[in-house]
Amino acid sequence: AQSVSQHNHHVILSEAASLELGCNYSYGGTVNLFWYVQYPGQHLQLLLKYFSGDPLVKGIKGFEAEFIKSKFSFNLRKPSVQWSDTAEYFCAVIPYNTDKLIFGTGTRLQVFP
Amino acid sequence: GAGVSQSPRYKVAKRGQDVALRCDPISGHVSLFWYQQALGQGPEFLTYFQNEAQLDKSGLPSDRFFAERPEGSVSTLKIQRTQQEDSAVYLCASSSTGRALSYEQYFGPGTRLTVT
Repeated sequence: AQSVSQHNHHVILSEAASLELGCNYSYGGTVNLFWYVQYPGQHLQLLLKYFSGDPLVKGIKGFEAEFIKSKFSFNLRKPSVQWSDTAEYFCAVIPYNTDKLIFGTGTRLQVFP
Repeated sequence: GAGVSQSPRYKVAKRGQDVALRCDPISGHVSLFWYQQALGQGPEFLTYFQNEAQLDKSGLPSDRFFAERPEGSVSTLKIQRTQQEDSAVYLCASSSTGRALSYEQYFGPGTRLTVT
């Protein structure tokens, strides 16, 4: 079955530390890739997305992600995190020619000042 | 403009009761999705509408789950004879095009259903 794996369930960082959250998917065909974020008490919102072209995509708030097709990965990065980045982060894919988002289990990020 | 809204935000039901969850998508959005998010998990797809047509209901866990969108705007997810395993947050999302493939889905705040 198609699935999305997020290896880090809970990450704790100090402000200014660098962040990398892993995401791997199991689908051999073309996919569109997404990272969603859910801040405490807020809705899920889109952080960034990849459809085609440059495999390094930039999103809001200084986040970026790199699509590595050979590794079926779409890891999220940020060079220097802030306390306000404390949230839950979800990686998701839409396999080509389907309509459904397939989410990973999420990574809870806590940033301490 | 207004985002996706859902009501009620919280619902407590006794096992065996029927519940109805409402979703108001962003005005003009063609596509509407329902997801179920269990505690500690990511959202899981339930069903998808394009206008009033239900194009995919492969994620509905049983025939106790039923969704409709009769006029192509507001949608209702109905769960009959609720069971404890139905306890979850039910998320609704909408998007502006006929195929969700390349376009952003906007999520509502969710309805937290607790079955006792």
